[in-house]
Amino acid sequence: AQSVTQLDSHVSVSEGTPVLLRCNYSSSYSPSLFWYVQHPNKGLQLLLKYTSAATLVKGINGFEAEFKKSETSFHLTKPSAHMSDAAEYFCVVIPYSSASKIIFGSGTRLSIRP
Amino acid sequence: GAGVSQTPSNKVTEKGKYVELRCDPISGHTALYWYRQSLGQGPEFLIYFQGTGAADDSGLPNDRFFAVRPEGSVSTLKIQRTERGDSAMYLCASREEQYFGPGTRLTVT
Repeated sequence: AQSVTQLDSHVSVSEGTPVLLRCNYSSSYSPSLFWYVQHPNKGLQLLLKYTSAATLVKGINGFEAEFKKSETSFHLTKPSAHMSDAAEYFCVVIPYSSASKIIFGSGTRLSIRP
Repeated sequence: GAGVSQTPSNKVTEKGKYVELRCDPISGHTALYWYRQSLGQGPEFLIYFQGTGAADDSGLPNDRFFAVRPEGSVSTLKIQRTERGDSAMYLCASREEQYFGPGTRLTVT
């Protein structure tokens, strides 16, 4: 069965320090993997996606993620956090076998300390 | 239009009533998805349309929920005999890359 696990429900970092949001997936075949951000009272916005091309994926707002098949991970990183990064982040897996079985992680709330 | 739109943005209804939620996907996108997001949780898949037909409705929680997309563009999610547990944000997305609409917040009192 396919699944996605976000290892931290809440991450707090100081402004200007690195961000790491962890995501592990389980999928029988090479999946498509995404990260979305949801600001309070706003819709979900696509940050970046992995679809079996380069394993290091660059997204918007300075975020990037690395697909590591051996670790079944797709962690989201950013070198320097900004106050505007405070939001909820969702890791998403779409299994190769079915476009409809889109699975969201439970989310990680990112807080930024001044 | 430029993006996915959903109407209404907010809907308050009484327990037992019928509601319809509308989604206008990005023009030309044949794939359309409905999700439900409860407070503090990630979105849960409800139903997926490819064109006019529901390719996968396995996420619909029970037979009170139904969705249509008669012309392959606009979709309507219909909920009969609403219950307080149906209160949530209902999200629509088009295409596999998931361009999301702003959602409809449904509150059942």
